[in-house]
Amino acid sequence: ELKVEQNPLFLSMQEGKNYTIYCNYSTTSDRLYWYRQDPGKSLESLFVLLSNGAVKQEGRLMASLDTKARLSTLHITAAVHDLSATYFCAVGPNSNYQLIWGAGTKLIIKP
Amino acid sequence: GAGVSQSPSNKVTEKGKDVELRCDPISGHTALYWYRQSLGQGLEFLIYFQGNSAPDKSGLPSDRFSAERTGGSVSTLTIQRTQQEDSAVYLCASSPSTGDSNQPQHFGDGTRLSIL
Repeated sequence: ELKVEQNPLFLSMQEGKNYTIYCNYSTTSDRLYWYRQDPGKSLESLFVLLSNGAVKQEGRLMASLDTKARLSTLHITAAVHDLSATYFCAVGPNSNYQLIWGAGTKLIIKP
Repeated sequence: GAGVSQSPSNKVTEKGKDVELRCDPISGHTALYWYRQSLGQGLEFLIYFQGNSAPDKSGLPSDRFSAERTGGSVSTLTIQRTQQEDSAVYLCASSPSTGDSNQPQHFGDGTRLSIL
C-alpha cells in the first residue's frame, strides 16, 4: 500500500529564512505533485516532478525528486509572508488512477 | 470553462436530508475526481471518472454516497440521509485524462457542506 508522509506538519518561520518540507513515500511511484492551499481556498498546482533527479523552481520555491530515496523536498528560499499556506504533496497514480496525498504542511511565515 | 466550477459553494442542511453537489470540469478534460477534506485535514479520495465511467467506487464512504457523470462533462455527487460526520469540504478536480499523469489535477473551489 502506498503511503505518503510529510514533515513537518506545522512550521512557523520568520521572513527571510530558508526551510525545507519533506515528502516521503513508501513504494515506487511514477509522479510526484506539489500543491498549495490557502485558508478557505482550493488547491493550486505548484509542481509536477516526473523523474528521478527532477528539479523545478518557481520564484522562492524549489522542488526536487529522488526516486531511489523515495523522497521529495520543497525548499523555500528567503521566505516572505505571502508564502504562508498549507502545502501538500501527492504521489501516484496507482493502478486505480488515484493520487495518494500527504497530510499537508501548514506553513506560517511571520513578518 | 476556464476552470473547474463547483456548486453550491456552501450548503447547510438538516441531518437526514439528501444533498446533491455539482462539478463542471474544465472543458475537454475527460478525467474527473471527487475528494473530501475535513477541517484541517488532508484529502480523502472518493471516486474518479474517466468519461462517464467510474470503474472503482470503493472509496465512497458508505452506500449513502453515489456519483454520476453524464455526457462526459458535469458530475454530481449525491449524499442521501446525511449525517453530521458528512460535514466537510467536497472538492472536485479534473485532468485531461487518467492516462496522462504528466498533467496535474485542477481543483474547483469546493462545496462546504454543513450538516446540522
